[in-house]
Amino acid sequence: NAGVTQTPKFRVLKTGQSMTLLCAQDMNHEYMYWYRQDPGMGLRLIHYSVGEGTTAKGEVPDGYNVSRLKKQNFLLGLESAAPSQTSVYFCASTREVEWETQYFGPGTRLLVL
Amino acid sequence: GQNIDQPTEMTATEGAIVQINCTYQTSGFNGLFWYQQHAGEAPTFLSYNVLDGLEEKGRFSSFLSRSKGYSYLLLKELQMKDSASYLCAVIDNDYKLSFGAGTTVTVRA
Repeated sequence: NAGVTQTPKFRVLKTGQSMTLLCAQDMNHEYMYWYRQDPGMGLRLIHYSVGEGTTAKGEVPDGYNVSRLKKQNFLLGLESAAPSQTSVYFCASTREVEWETQYFGPGTRLLVL
Repeated sequence: GQNIDQPTEMTATEGAIVQINCTYQTSGFNGLFWYQQHAGEAPTFLSYNVLDGLEEKGRFSSFLSRSKGYSYLLLKELQMKDSASYLCAVIDNDYKLSFGAGTTVTVRA
């Protein structure tokens, strides 16, 4: 049982490049979330999913896309990276309504030059 | 949308008690969470309240008043390891989980 894992842990991109961040959980959780965390701004929700094949927008979805083709994986894509997307990205998952089962991944540090 | 407010910083002495307040305005409410986050690490779940009242878990307690849009996290018998950011978050009826900016607690010897 690995919990919630995120790949990669750290990445440097040039402006305009694209990449995909992978969040994987082995706990059969229904709900999955992508956040970005910037100094002084707390965690801001980018996109989330309440089940396989479903996605919904959060507070700051622009410039990101997501997919949940398999229940255990939630992918976050940056189509054309911008310096404003330099941040730490966290993924979280939880079992439906059993909120004490919620776990965060270790985070991905992204630097866009 | 969600509007979640909490103080930016608090300082307390080892062994003391600290209360971190959180006020919220949301379009739909399905519960309030508290998390702890140490510098450079991921947040970890502390508590979940959906009904009014106080929930106690060891040295940590969390209180909710839905009519007032208010919660607090109470940390008792503070230890140096409690120095961290404490995040208040609210989940709405669409299961969108939104966070406040966090409160940095510094525990002094």
